[in-house]
Amino acid sequence: QKEVEQDPGPLSVPEGAIVSLNCTYSNSAFQYFMWYRQYSRKGPELLMYTYSSGNKEDGRFTAQVDKSSKYISLFIRDSQPSDSATYLCAMSDGGNQFYFGTGTSLTVIP
Amino acid sequence: GAVVSQHPSWVICKSGTSVKIECRSLDFQATTMFWYRQFPKQSLMLMATSNEGSKATYEQGVEKDKFLINHASLTLSTLTVTSAHPEDSSFYICSAPLRGGRTEAFFGQGTRLTVV
Repeated sequence: QKEVEQDPGPLSVPEGAIVSLNCTYSNSAFQYFMWYRQYSRKGPELLMYTYSSGNKEDGRFTAQVDKSSKYISLFIRDSQPSDSATYLCAMSDGGNQFYFGTGTSLTVIP
Repeated sequence: GAVVSQHPSWVICKSGTSVKIECRSLDFQATTMFWYRQFPKQSLMLMATSNEGSKATYEQGVEKDKFLINHASLTLSTLTVTSAHPEDSSFYICSAPLRGGRTEAFFGQGTRLTVV
């Protein structure tokens, strides 16, 4: 079993839709949770960072962490064509290694 | 957010030659940097952890003599692909955690290497 599982998609939604992206994990020691956005042929860009459980909101983006279920989510409200990218979840136990999901490819159709 | 700069963004080289990729943390010091390789439509594969002032730590299956890593200062790590072959063609990305790996990591722009 992989440390982090993420549905690769692809996911296609109409502009304005709410997008839900999810990851599950198996290591209960993970404390730090991140979401990255990666455009084609570019390095990942940090979108959201959350420590431990709870919700965090930044503009149209909301990150949720449920440590009891080992489940994290990223919600995108009012999705835009510019949101079309691959979204990677990542997590860490505070050590030097980060564990990444495989990424979910999202396309927002105008 | 913190900025990590990677150079070059793309490079084409002949088989048998060596290519050096630089990763710089522009506004913070990074005692640790990570080097990843990414194949199309796949996630990041950690190759090695670069440690300032000491030897890099390589992941299993990564040839340390082929992928030379030097962390010369608190703001610069380099990856040299030696005697490159077409199978080394890939997207290489570096990242640096903001505080010794305990919080989020920031990524460089990536380097697309094509070996012909």
